Amino acid sequence: AQKITQTQPGMFVQEKEAVTLDCTYDTSDPSYGLFWYKQPSSGEMIFLIYQGSYDQQNATEGRYSLNFQKARKSANLVISASQLGDSAMYFCAMREGLELVFGQGTRLTINP
Amino acid sequence: DSGVTQTPKHLITATGQRVTLRCSPRSGDLSVYWYQQSLDQGLQFLIQYYNGEERAKGNILERFSAQQFPDLHSELNLSSLELGDSALYFCASSAGDGSPAYEQYFGPGTRLTVT
Repeated sequence: AQKITQTQPGMFVQEKEAVTLDCTYDTSDPSYGLFWYKQPSSGEMIFLIYQGSYDQQNATEGRYSLNFQKARKSANLVISASQLGDSAMYFCAMREGLELVFGQGTRLTINP
Repeated sequence: DSGVTQTPKHLITATGQRVTLRCSPRSGDLSVYWYQQSLDQGLQFLIQYYNGEERAKGNILERFSAQQFPDLHSELNLSSLELGDSALYFCASSAGDGSPAYEQYFGPGTRLTVT
C-alpha cells in the first residue's frame, strides 16, 4: 500500500493565486514527521516545511503553510501568492522510524 | 545552497562497470542518506549512515554498497551496472540520528547514465 499519496500529477495556477497541493499518508506509528520538498527543473531537492505528528499548530514558513489534518491523515501544502519561480515538482514525504518515504510528486506550473 | 556537496555532477559509463559517488554532509551533520530517483520508481531511499555506522537500509541492491568515513563523508559504490541503474542519485544529511524531527538537506545530486 502507498504510504504517501499525491493525487494531483499536475497543476496549473495563475500567478499571485494561492495553491493547495494535496498529500495523504498512511501510518500506524504515533510518532512521525511530514515534509515537503521542491524540485525545480535544475534537479536539486529543496526542503520547504516540516510538521511533526505531535505538533498542535500547523507549520508555516514564509509563503508556505502546511494544512495538517491528523484525523484525515492529510498534510496539504499551501503556497500563498504564487510566483513564476514556484514552478517545479513538489514532493510530500513522511518519516516514520528511520526511513523517509516520498510520494510521486505534483508538477506545479505557474502561468503569468 | 544546502551545504551538502556531491561529486561528480554527471557520470556516463558502460554496462558492467563500477562507479563511486561521493557526498560530503553539511558541517556538523552526523547522518548521511542516499536516495535514487528514476522515472519509473520515483524517489527511493537506499541507505542511511549515522556517525560511521549503517543505520537503516531501504531498497538497496546487493550490487550497491556504501560507507561513511571518519570525516563523515560518504561514498556510494555501484557495481555491475545495468541500464536500469541510470538515475539521479541524491545524498542528504541531517543533524540527528534519524528520528522524525530532523529535516534532511539534499545535495545537488549525481546524474548517472549507463549506456
